[in-house]
Amino acid sequence: QVQLQESGPGLVKPSETLSLTCAVSGFPITSDYYWVWIRQPPGKGLEWLGTLYHSGNTDFSSSLKSRGTISADTSSNQFSLTLTSMTAADTAVYYCARRRVVRGLLNYDVIDFWGQGTLVTVSS
Amino acid sequence: DIQMTQSPSSLSASVGDRVTITCRASQSISTYLNWYQQKPGKAPNLLIYGASSLQSGVPSRFSASGSGTDFTLTISSLLPEDFATYYCQQSYSTFLTFGGGTKLEIK
Repeated sequence: QVQLQESGPGLVKPSETLSLTCAVSGFPITSDYYWVWIRQPPGKGLEWLGTLYHSGNTDFSSSLKSRGTISADTSSNQFSLTLTSMTAADTAVYYCARRRVVRGLLNYDVIDFWGQGTLVTVSS
Repeated sequence: DIQMTQSPSSLSASVGDRVTITCRASQSISTYLNWYQQKPGKAPNLLIYGASSLQSGVPSRFSASGSGTDFTLTISSLLPEDFATYYCQQSYSTFLTFGGGTKLEIK
């Protein structure tokens, strides 16, 4: 059974760097899936942050303005998000998740497994 | 980025009602549209992919349709566990975007 678990600091000071890790169990992250980070500010909607492809390439939301990186630690079967220059606007629940392709007549891209989310508050 | 707009942003309904939520894309996304349900304090859960395909395990009272820029999610007869927030999400672009959400509340 696939499980994802986020970990990291619950409180970050403005201008500091956030580092979050997602531990994946039940499936190797080197498999033919993609791994994503998504966040949700309190009381607001979902925002995709970035994707790590099994090739090692990444995509990032333009809203992050080059502040983010995603990397994988295959030996620990986990992947990480780093976000620099944190501000109060980055306060949110951060989710890691698995993105996969459902193959058929057309290939559809879905997010089918999510971590429980971790709240990160940016405050001095 | 492709913008996704949902309406209404909130909706009050009663158990047994039929409800429809709308999602509109800022450009054509063919049928690359997914729907998720999120309950308070929980991660979202995939309901529909490819605009109209039911994810395994999702009850048949959920249905969806659309293509191009206009999509709908319908719940045929609301049960108490359906009161939640629903999000659409496009996967036409590798830069994923979500709609703003529709909060379905008990009347």
